[in-house]
Amino acid sequence: QVQLVESGGGVVQPGRSLRLSCAASGFTFSSYAMHWVRQAPGKGLEWVAVIWYDGIKKYHTDSVKGRFTISRDNSKNTMYLQMNSLRAEDTAVYYCARDLGRWAVTSPIDYWGQGTLVTVSS
Amino acid sequence: EIVMTQSPATLSVSPGERATLSCRASQSVGSNLAWYQQKPGQAPRLLIYAASTRAAGIPARFSGSGSGTEFTLTISSLQSEDFAVYYCQHYNNWPLLTFGGGTKVEIK
Repeated sequence: QVQLVESGGGVVQPGRSLRLSCAASGFTFSSYAMHWVRQAPGKGLEWVAVIWYDGIKKYHTDSVKGRFTISRDNSKNTMYLQMNSLRAEDTAVYYCARDLGRWAVTSPIDYWGQGTLVTVSS
Repeated sequence: EIVMTQSPATLSVSPGERATLSCRASQSVGSNLAWYQQKPGQAPRLLIYAASTRAAGIPARFSGSGSGTEFTLTISSLQSEDFAVYYCQHYNNWPLLTFGGGTKVEIK
């Protein structure tokens, strides 16, 4: 069965960096676009970034552009989110998520990991 | 940017009753609309995609309708496990995704 397991969250001071990982199993990882979605405490869902199945194309939401970078290693079935210059407003649970459709087709997210909490605080 | 507006923010319903949740897009998203359920401390779960297609394993009491800018999620007879927060999401600008603010379905 599809499994997505995030790691790397924790407490970090403003301005510092953190790298999140998402280990995937139970499906052909290299065939699917993957996303990061976050949820601030008590708030709704906010899409953060997406990476093409082959890693060639990447998109980030405006609020993290220039600070966060999504990447993937298909040989390790793992996706990453490098987060630099962290701010208090980046505090959230970060979810790793998979597209419903294979390759680059218009589709929603179908599977989600359980999330990893990032707290930015001095 | 297309804005997704969900209403009401909170819906109080008795078990066994019907629940109707609305999602409005600021411009047409065609049928590229999904619904998710999220329970406290859990990740979201896909319920409906393509506006009206139930995802695998989703009970028939969940149904979606609409196209363009107006969408509805209906839960025909609420079960205890259905009390949760529901989000709509459009993927018309895929791979960029936009979520609505959510509707909390609570026990009346």
